[in-house]
Amino acid sequence: AQSVTQLDSHVSVSEGTPVLLRCNYSSSYSPSLFWYVQHPNKGLQLLLKYTSAATLVKGINGFEAEFKKSETSFHLTKPSAHMSDAAEYFCVVSDQRSGNTGKLIFGQGTTLQVKP
Amino acid sequence: DTAVSQTPKYLVTQMGNDKSIKCEQNLGHDTMYWYKQDSKKFLKIMFSYNNKELIINETVPNRFSPKSPDKAHLNLHINSLELGDSAVYFCASSQVQGATSGANVLTFGAGSRLTVL
Repeated sequence: AQSVTQLDSHVSVSEGTPVLLRCNYSSSYSPSLFWYVQHPNKGLQLLLKYTSAATLVKGINGFEAEFKKSETSFHLTKPSAHMSDAAEYFCVVSDQRSGNTGKLIFGQGTTLQVKP
Repeated sequence: DTAVSQTPKYLVTQMGNDKSIKCEQNLGHDTMYWYKQDSKKFLKIMFSYNNKELIINETVPNRFSPKSPDKAHLNLHINSLELGDSAVYFCASSQVQGATSGANVLTFGAGSRLTVL
């Protein structure tokens, strides 16, 4: 069975400093991995996705994530945080076998706080 | 605007009532979903429909009944509402079921916050 674990429930950074949101996954098959962001009282927006192409994936708003099979990780990074990045971030896995059914498995979420 | 739209955005009701949440997408997608986000922000799939056919039906009480009149709409009807049904319900849609071009990317609506008193 597939699962995803976000290692930090809350991350606080200062504006202009790097962001690191950690995610580990478990999957019996070659996984598809995503990061979604949810701003307060808003829907979920796709940041980026990994689908067995390049292991370093670039997303919107300067975010990127690196797929590391040996570490079963898919950490999200950004070189310099902006106040508008404050939100809830979800790491999501979908096995290729079930990848086309939309049955996504969500992590518990990481709240990113950005301080001035 | 192309999007997934849900109504109502907020819904407050009493226990035992029956209520519906509507969802429409104008993205031309074939598959639609309902996800539930609980008070701890945990998201879990409830249902998915492909071209009006039920594909995924997770362990959800049968008080919840999805209805898809056409592939652009997927409504969620809830009977005999309970306190535990309080949550944010997200509708989503995606491209053709079974596509081999890669992972199935979902587009989500803004959510409908249901509060049962």
